[in-house]
Amino acid sequence: DTAVSQTPKYLVTQMGNDKSIKCEQNLGHDTMYWYKQDSKKFLKIMFSYNNKELIINETVPNRFSPKSPDKAHLNLHINSLELGDSAVYFCASSQLALSNYGYTFGSGTRLTVV
Amino acid sequence: AQSVSQHNHHVILSEAASLELGCNYSYGGTVNLFWYVQYPGQHLQLLLKYFSGDPLVKGIKGFEAEFIKSKFSFNLRKPSVQWSDTAEYFCAVNAGGNQGGKLIFGQGTELSVKP
Repeated sequence: DTAVSQTPKYLVTQMGNDKSIKCEQNLGHDTMYWYKQDSKKFLKIMFSYNNKELIINETVPNRFSPKSPDKAHLNLHINSLELGDSAVYFCASSQLALSNYGYTFGSGTRLTVV
Repeated sequence: AQSVSQHNHHVILSEAASLELGCNYSYGGTVNLFWYVQYPGQHLQLLLKYFSGDPLVKGIKGFEAEFIKSKFSFNLRKPSVQWSDTAEYFCAVNAGGNQGGKLIFGQGTELSVKP
């Protein structure tokens, strides 16, 4: 049973399109995150939700909009996709109250914008 | 601002060689420290973590790391690497306080182990 699952695993789309990536965790964690890994493997946090509330919103274009319908789900919607959005997007979860717990990562979504 | 620096971009070793990957962070307060590994095409997996107590922490697959507070370092070591250790290694810091659990990652070190 996958702890943090993301769909789709691969996404190829044209510039200007709108796309969504879904993430679900079955660990009972209260906090979920989206990270972006660029072509140089650098990982940068984008968003964090704790119990459906946005708690971290790094400098991310408004075209990116996260949505958390419940604490087990955190989806990422991207409008008007650009070439520079091509990257691997990782979802993760943790138990924030145990801030030293560490994250559990999903397997990633490789987004390619053409 | 907090930051994490990994000194080596790409390390190439032969099997059975010893490994040490450097990691330094900049943050003056209490920190939690992590090493993650990313095998080719896979997600990040936790190797080990430090919260408090013994500064020498042991993780999975024979890896260990030492926290040296005075040097703001958390270097990863393994006495004898295997071909299967070929992967990208990330050091990460979770600063204390109201940070929302944010992990700051280093830029990663690619390890290639030659059989």
